Amino acid sequence: NAGVTQTPKFQVLKTGQSMTLQCAQDMNHEYMSWYRQDPGMGLRLIHYSVGAGITDQGEVPNGYNVSRSTTEDFPLRLLSAAPSQTSVYFCASWDISYEQYFGPGTRLTVT
Amino acid sequence: AQSVAQPEDQVNVAEGNPLTVKCTYSVSGNPYLFWYVQYPNRGLQFLLKYITGDNLVKGSYGFEAEFNKSQTSFHLKKPSALVSDSALYFCAVRDSDSGGGADGLTFGKGTHLIIQP
Repeated sequence: NAGVTQTPKFQVLKTGQSMTLQCAQDMNHEYMSWYRQDPGMGLRLIHYSVGAGITDQGEVPNGYNVSRSTTEDFPLRLLSAAPSQTSVYFCASWDISYEQYFGPGTRLTVT
Repeated sequence: AQSVAQPEDQVNVAEGNPLTVKCTYSVSGNPYLFWYVQYPNRGLQFLLKYITGDNLVKGSYGFEAEFNKSQTSFHLKKPSALVSDSALYFCAVRDSDSGGGADGLTFGKGTHLIIQP
């Protein structure tokens, strides 16, 4: 049981490039979410999903897309990277207990 | 709307002393309250939660938290701090009136806990 996994761990992008951050969970959780963590700002919700095929926007969705074709996977796509998207990104999954399980994070730098 | 506040950016405690990390919340319904811990370069780890029942909740690593409805608080406590408790702590809340619940939790900005030997 690996829990929540994220790849890559580190990434450097140039402004305007696109990329996909991968997230997978093996706990059969219905709910998954993406957060970004910036110093002094806590975790802010980007997008979330209530199940395969269903996604919705969180607090800071601009510049990001998501899809959920399976229960296990919830990739986050950066369409055209900007320096303001430099951050640490966390994926989480949870069930109706609301106890969220977090991945180890992806540290993204956009130059 | 739900919100949570952690009024202290940093808390310093000597090893062996009791520690408290403060959290207050705002919800329109009943709160579901959580504490998470983050060690350097790691993801968040669940410590404890309050959904209903006893106001004193016990969690991992000897931590506990007290739910106080009148003060809308959920402070994290430990009777005797260890140097290894040094980390970033997040309080989170969910409003029971938030409908389907799929958008998850609202997190505070975090409190750095530093335990001095």
